[in-house]
Amino acid sequence: QVHLVQSGAEVKMPGASVKVSCKTSGYTFTNYAVHWVRLAPGQRLEWLGWVNTGNGDTKYSQKFQDRVTITRDTSASTVYMELSSLGSEDTAMYFCTRDLVAGILDYWGQGTLVTVSS
Amino acid sequence: DIVMTQSPDSLAVSLGERATINCKSSQSLLYKSKNKNCLAWYQQKPGQPPKLLIYWASTRESGVPDRFSGSGSGSDFTLTISSLQAEDVAVYYCHQYYDTSRTFGQGTKVEIK
Repeated sequence: QVHLVQSGAEVKMPGASVKVSCKTSGYTFTNYAVHWVRLAPGQRLEWLGWVNTGNGDTKYSQKFQDRVTITRDTSASTVYMELSSLGSEDTAMYFCTRDLVAGILDYWGQGTLVTVSS
Repeated sequence: DIVMTQSPDSLAVSLGERATINCKSSQSLLYKSKNKNCLAWYQQKPGQPPKLLIYWASTRESGVPDRFSGSGSGSDFTLTISSLQAEDVAVYYCHQYYDTSRTFGQGTKVEIK
């Protein structure tokens, strides 16, 4: 069965960076893109970007273009999301999610809580 | 970016009654070459990740109860829960995957009256 398992909760100082991992299993890693989505308190779900796990190509939201980097390690079937220059507004639950096709997000990780606080 | 607007923000429905959630996009989501609308619905319960319910506006994901249905085309869409069950208490989001910059509605909280 398909699983996406994310790394644990993080607490970061303002201005720092955070790197969240998403280990996949139960399917052929390079056949499906992976997206990152976050949910901040009182906000709507927000898309950060995605990676083509086959060739490593990425596409980012314009809002996060300068601060987010999504990478993948095909040998470990794992995708990483790094967000830099953190501010309090980045406090959120971050999810990785598999792209079934065309952007339909069928399987999700359990979420990683990132808290930005001084 | 395509703006997704849901209505209402919240609704309370009696058990066994119908719940209807609307979603409007700022531009058409119809992918003309496939004649499909790039619109999905997700259910999110507290402490859980979102769960895919509906995609292509009206295709039910495998394992989703048939009391959930999606309809609409172009820029107006609806999620209907035909007979609300206690386990359906959640926040529901619409999501467009027409544009390469993906966006979600603000969410609709469904509660039991």
